Amino acid sequence: EPEVTQTPSHQVTQMGQEVILRCVPISNHLYFYWYRQILGQKVEFLVSFYNNEISEKSEIFDDQFSVERPDGSNFTLKIRSTKLEDSAMYFCASSEEASSYNEQFFGPGTRLTVL
Amino acid sequence: GENVEQHPSTLSVQEGDSAVIKCTYSDSASNYFPWYKQELGKRPQLIIDIRSNVGEKKDQRIAVTLNKTAKHFSLHITETQPEDSAVYFCAASANTPLVFGKGTRLSVIA
Repeated sequence: EPEVTQTPSHQVTQMGQEVILRCVPISNHLYFYWYRQILGQKVEFLVSFYNNEISEKSEIFDDQFSVERPDGSNFTLKIRSTKLEDSAMYFCASSEEASSYNEQFFGPGTRLTVL
Repeated sequence: GENVEQHPSTLSVQEGDSAVIKCTYSDSASNYFPWYKQELGKRPQLIIDIRSNVGEKKDQRIAVTLNKTAKHFSLHITETQPEDSAVYFCAASANTPLVFGKGTRLSVIA
């Protein structure tokens, strides 16, 4: 069964540094998402992406965040200047359609640690 | 926006007993309610979902019920096994972004 993949599995960075988290969604999926989960807390929506543009974003997704689909397979989340509070597990997800009747498949996550 | 409340935050049951986790949502436009199971350090995995046009759905030992009038939905796990131990998240969606509850840590004691 196809799966969403993410790299790296764990990223450690210094505060103020830029990080890029990478995702490869399921190949026939058209809608992509980033969520984050601070340790011990619930999963929170960051952004959704379709047709090479952001379709929706949350309050968390401020100017420090950006997303990109640089080629036909990768979907990236960039944090320009990391803060301590950005430490979290970041999950990429994808779905065939944007309809709420479609399952979102989650990747294994990237654990970001900001020191 | 949508707000999802989930209870209890922790639940311990004896192996073979049933477990029930409850969620309420605020947005009456929500029409999709998935349940995800997350084992320690792993990705959330969909275990069952329900659409707003049905009131109940069952898949082997797992069932979900939805009460649209009261805006709540519940996960029922029967004949629990140690491998059911995990964190369970409910979510609601009126469109694409899933709004998650805070999770329930289920421990099944052998």
